[in-house]
Amino acid sequence: GENVEQHPSTLSVQEGDSAVIKCTYSDSASNYFPWYKQELGKRPQLIIDIRSNVGEKKDQRIAVTLNKTAKHFSLHITETQPEDSAVYFCAASNLNSGTYKYIFGTGTRLKVLA
Amino acid sequence: GAVVSQHPSRVICKSGTSVKIECRSLDFQATTMFWYRQFPKKSLMLMATSNEGSKATYEQGVEKDKFLINHASLTLSTLTVTSAHPEDSSFYICSARDAVGNSPLHFGNGTRLTVT
Repeated sequence: GENVEQHPSTLSVQEGDSAVIKCTYSDSASNYFPWYKQELGKRPQLIIDIRSNVGEKKDQRIAVTLNKTAKHFSLHITETQPEDSAVYFCAASNLNSGTYKYIFGTGTRLKVLA
Repeated sequence: GAVVSQHPSRVICKSGTSVKIECRSLDFQATTMFWYRQFPKKSLMLMATSNEGSKATYEQGVEKDKFLINHASLTLSTLTVTSAHPEDSSFYICSARDAVGNSPLHFGNGTRLTVT
């Protein structure tokens, strides 16, 4: 079935350094890839997304890259700050399927050390 | 932006009782809502897709008689955990998307269910 793998499961970086989280999806029909940030006990919040017709998207310190051939997509956070500490989930979806189901990765717990 | 309201945020119930969780889209219409379950430090596991005016679609391994879903209007879906047991204790989160256009999912605040 559809599957999204996410690595690493935990990531610690020094404040100011960059963080990279990688996901791999199995369904080649997937064409939409959102990233969510979830702080402890709170709802997941969409931070950035990318569609399959684009290879890269950037929003200030956050960027996402997509390699459709390899079925990989990655989240890049530059100049990390303590408030970036949270769990990050990637997801893949096929917007043409009509179901709008998201398949989530297993999550990455990011710790930014001050 | 789109807001999804989930209620209650926390509930403690006794084993054998039923608990209803509500999910509302406050400023948009949602023909489809999704119910997820999240175990501590784990990912979001899709339980079922709630479709307005029709039966919910359950994921493999999810008991439809145990987790009753009703999507009676374009702004409200409910999840009822029937005859709850301690193993049903978990964090349940709903999500919804605007029926117009290819908008992303927006999540509710989640409900922490504890069954004693």
